Amino acid sequence: GAGVSQTPSNKVTEKGKYVELRCDPISGHTALYWYRQSLGQGPEFLIYFQGTGAADDSGLPNDRFFAVRPEGSVSTLKIQRTERGDSAVYLCASSPLTGGKVTGELFFGEGSRLTVL
Amino acid sequence: GNSVTQMEGPVTLSEEAFLTINCTYTATGYPSLFWYVQYPGEGLQLLLKATKADDKGSNKGFEATYRKETTSFHLEKGSVQVSDSAVYFCASTYSSASKIIFGSGTRLSIRP
Repeated sequence: GAGVSQTPSNKVTEKGKYVELRCDPISGHTALYWYRQSLGQGPEFLIYFQGTGAADDSGLPNDRFFAVRPEGSVSTLKIQRTERGDSAVYLCASSPLTGGKVTGELFFGEGSRLTVL
Repeated sequence: GNSVTQMEGPVTLSEEAFLTINCTYTATGYPSLFWYVQYPGEGLQLLLKATKADDKGSNKGFEATYRKETTSFHLEKGSVQVSDSAVYFCASTYSSASKIIFGSGTRLSIRP
């Protein structure tokens, strides 16, 4: 009875390495979001998918960040050449559409905590 | 662009006290507004929402009214419980409506 599942829950890596974070949304949810949350801050929008396509990627901080959702379900956030400033909790959320429109009701996973040493 | 500003915490209250957490927004157009809550050890979850001016969202004894004239969506509860201790986030849809932006969060602690 699944909610949104994110793996890994914790990832420690070294500066310069490549990282992939996976999100498995609630079945049937068309909309999928990635956010980044630093300590003491609110979630910061990264990217939004409607189906397979990235409808809004305006929050990706630079070209080291990329996300895919090839079959309209599972999504992967990819970070190249990680930097210490990338350390944060990466949150995934999915949402149903109503009448083809965003409802704003996001169902969040528990996040992937990334630490870059 | 749109933004959401909420009352800084932490906020500490005694059980049964009245709660207000302020939230204001700047927006072009008419965004939908939300309060999300994060209980200790859990993921963020929607608490309540309002989609147009003068709408009141309510859930679990919490209420918030969408005030277009003051661009506010303050969260209130008449009598808080220890179990309400959590971090509360105000949020708004962005101009494209597909993007939802969050405030910085307010940590609430309730003393028995």
